[in-house]
Amino acid sequence: GQNIDQPTEMTATEGAIVQINCTYQTSGFNGLFWYQQHAGEAPTFLSYNVLDGLEEKGRFSSFLSRSKGYSYLLLKELQMKDSASYLCAVRDTNAGKSTFGDGTTLTVKP
Amino acid sequence: DTAVSQTPKYLVTQMGNDKSIKCEQNLGHDTMYWYKQDSKKFLKIMFSYNNKELIINETVPNRFSPKSPDKAHLNLHINSLELGDSAVYFCASTSGAYNEQFFGPGTRLTVL
Repeated sequence: GQNIDQPTEMTATEGAIVQINCTYQTSGFNGLFWYQQHAGEAPTFLSYNVLDGLEEKGRFSSFLSRSKGYSYLLLKELQMKDSASYLCAVRDTNAGKSTFGDGTTLTVKP
Repeated sequence: DTAVSQTPKYLVTQMGNDKSIKCEQNLGHDTMYWYKQDSKKFLKIMFSYNNKELIINETVPNRFSPKSPDKAHLNLHINSLELGDSAVYFCASTSGAYNEQFFGPGTRLTVL
């Protein structure tokens, strides 16, 4: 099975950098995803890591350490529109099932 | 538009009723899912189908019955609705570059 932990809430200031952590325990690992979900909307894909290291995509970067069962999502140059819930999801080797963390609600303040 | 679509967007009904939610994707994906997101925003997988075959069936009451007539459609039928079934139900499909999931807009079910 999967066990995924991420902070419930975070607050940051517009223009700043914020790091959202995710730790996981899994019986079979086949990739880690980050999704963004604005209030009242569907989750949308942000990033994917399957090998150790950093993946950069514009203002967003995601890091993975498989040995530590740890990932983070880094958001730079925060904008008000980045206020949303960020979901960490781990895919296991069983039928490609992804288990989602409970999400981190990020509030960006002026 | 290429997308995952769900109908209806909102569903308000009485306890004990039976209702269905429909999902369609025109992305050519092979795998589709149903998720439930409760009031605390926890997103939990319920079912997954690959090419019309059930591959994931989480611990869900058997009042919930998914049906996939073809690989582009995955419907969810719920019998004898209960108050605790009130949630947003998301359909998703996958087969992107990283097998990321594409979510439908959600169906907000309210059971009175």
